[in-house]
Amino acid sequence: ETGVTQTPRHLVMGMTNKKSLKCEQHLGHNAMYWYKQSAKKPLELMFVYNFKEQTENNSVPSRFSPECPNSSHLFLHLHTLQPEDSALYLCASSQEWAGGAGELFFGEGSRLTVL
Amino acid sequence: EDQVTQSPEALRLQEGESSSLNCSYTVSGLRGLFWYRQDPGKGPEFLFTLYSAGEEKEKERLKATLTKKESFLHITAPKPEDSATYLCAVQNYGGSQGNLIFGKGTKLSVKP
Repeated sequence: ETGVTQTPRHLVMGMTNKKSLKCEQHLGHNAMYWYKQSAKKPLELMFVYNFKEQTENNSVPSRFSPECPNSSHLFLHLHTLQPEDSALYLCASSQEWAGGAGELFFGEGSRLTVL
Repeated sequence: EDQVTQSPEALRLQEGESSSLNCSYTVSGLRGLFWYRQDPGKGPEFLFTLYSAGEEKEKERLKATLTKKESFLHITAPKPEDSATYLCAVQNYGGSQGNLIFGKGTKLSVKP
């Protein structure tokens, strides 16, 4: 496996279900991210983890719960979602260093549909 | 407020017809400007980073340029396989790490 891999690629869930999205990066990067991409809207940053520590929570509702057990794995736990949460959820990683702009490398995304 | 505006929203070209995509930005202090390509149903693929006005970068038929207010992605003699949505994003020094401000993208279609 190379790059950033996300599973599942597609997920359909009811509003009362609990599911999780998984992301794994094979690039040796020190930071991982969750982004949300909705139709006709720009990508929105949700969470940032740097060396497994959450450093950013971009005012995301508590029905989205991230988990980063190590610097290579990232999860997004989902519960009691709303239909408007249907979107493409993208995981990304980067190598952050002081003074530099870290390019993000994205996975292929998990397409979530909430019924 | 930091902002990125891309134009046009959609662009249709004939194969071989060169053109440019525009990314206008306002940011408190530019740390980097990024171009990504996104194919349908896939995640964005990194293309370029530009750091300062006057900088240019090239990759195959693509050339990215940067001024203090905007960036252009020039596409020379495009082929159908260049069809995709092109995303522009900026990162500022005051913002948190990884918090890129994205535009809505330009959807490029190249017809044979």
